[in-house]
Amino acid sequence: AQSVAQPEDQVNVAEGNPLTVKCTYSVSGNPYLFWYVQYPNRGLQFLLKYITGDNLVKGSYGFEAEFNKSQTSFHLKKPSALVSDSALYFCAVRGANDYKLSFGAGTTVTVRA
Amino acid sequence: DAGVIQSPRHEVTEMGQEVTLRCKPISGHNSLFWYRQTMMRGLELLIYFNNNVPIDDSGMPEDRFSAKMPNASFSTLKIQPSEPRDSAVYFCASRTGTSGNYEQYFGPGTRLTVT
Repeated sequence: AQSVAQPEDQVNVAEGNPLTVKCTYSVSGNPYLFWYVQYPNRGLQFLLKYITGDNLVKGSYGFEAEFNKSQTSFHLKKPSALVSDSALYFCAVRGANDYKLSFGAGTTVTVRA
Repeated sequence: DAGVIQSPRHEVTEMGQEVTLRCKPISGHNSLFWYRQTMMRGLELLIYFNNNVPIDDSGMPEDRFSAKMPNASFSTLKIQPSEPRDSAVYFCASRTGTSGNYEQYFGPGTRLTVT
């Protein structure tokens, strides 16, 4: 069975400070990992993915994530957070041979001005 | 591209009524997913279609729920009869089968309230 854990329900940072949203996963075989962001009353918006290759992947809006196989983690990062980054963030995983995405419970990010 | 289109965006209905949610996937995408989002249970996969064929409906909560995909550009999720506990946001997502493009693209969702 595959699963995702987002250990923090909420992350609060000041604008301009670095932002990190944590994610660990469990899956059989090679993982396909994804980050999505959800703004209020909106659908989930794809940010970035790790499939293979370089462990550091870059995505939309200045976000990046680092795949760490030994720690089974895929933390989302942004060097300098903006107030507009305030939203709900979901990490998701699936096995290479699977179609079903397993989502974490989500982390609410609040960036204060 | 217009993205995944869902209608209606909001639906308020009374218990016992039939509810039909609609989805138009991104053109060229051959996989379609229906999800339900609630505070208590988070995001749950209800059903997965590939090339218009239901592959996995194990997430459909009860026989009151049914989904169809009559063609590559349209899918429906029907609840009959609806109950208050069906109140949630229902999302449709689609994905291409092209190698390298593994992410799902979500629609804006339908917020269903059953009174």
